[in-house]
Amino acid sequence: DVKVTQSSRYLVKRTGEKVFLECVQDMDHENMFWYRQDPGLGLRLIYFSYDVKMKEKGDIPEGYSVSREKKERFSLILESASTNQTSMYLCASSFKQTGNYGYTFGSGTRLTVV
Amino acid sequence: DAKTTQPTSMDCAEGRAANLPCNHSTISGNEYVYWYRQIHSQGPQYIIHGLKNNETNEMASLIITEDRKSSTLILPHATLRDTAVYYCIVRGRGQAGTALIFGKGTTLSVSS
Repeated sequence: DVKVTQSSRYLVKRTGEKVFLECVQDMDHENMFWYRQDPGLGLRLIYFSYDVKMKEKGDIPEGYSVSREKKERFSLILESASTNQTSMYLCASSFKQTGNYGYTFGSGTRLTVV
Repeated sequence: DAKTTQPTSMDCAEGRAANLPCNHSTISGNEYVYWYRQIHSQGPQYIIHGLKNNETNEMASLIITEDRKSSTLILPHATLRDTAVYYCIVRGRGQAGTALIFGKGTTLSVSS
């Protein structure tokens, strides 16, 4: 069964900490994405990557950075965690073919910043 | 990017067809319509997508109007497990349109 695996289901971090959220996919997908989901706001795109070492900003990149050193792994980095970054974080991946953008999502990481 | 408009919520009786509408009046000729759903506490799940023609798979049917300004997702025999938030999305943005932008979706409640 194809999978997108997020390293942690629940995470609690302190304000000011540097936080790494890891995502690994086993489908040889070119594209990978990070979203966050908050009540009433839906899913919002943070960053995405269409190739190794390539990245593009989404709607809300402030306070975040990403790393894609290998095709299967896409990391989201909170440089200095703040309480307003408490959220559910969802990773997704897909093939790049035009018109065929079926995304596979991970189960999510619920991050609490205290 | 083309925007979509969906009702905030809908109800459906178990065993009946659930018809979820979506308006996308600014869709352009090369943009696809995608449907995803998200069951509580899980990541979104791909359902179906289409360009012009109606599409059907094991999960649902997608009916796109001839002018492509609206579409309907049909779950032919809704079950309690179909209770979820359903997202209608057109294209995305970024390099070669690779990123899907999710709206707030329709919360479908299926009851017995």
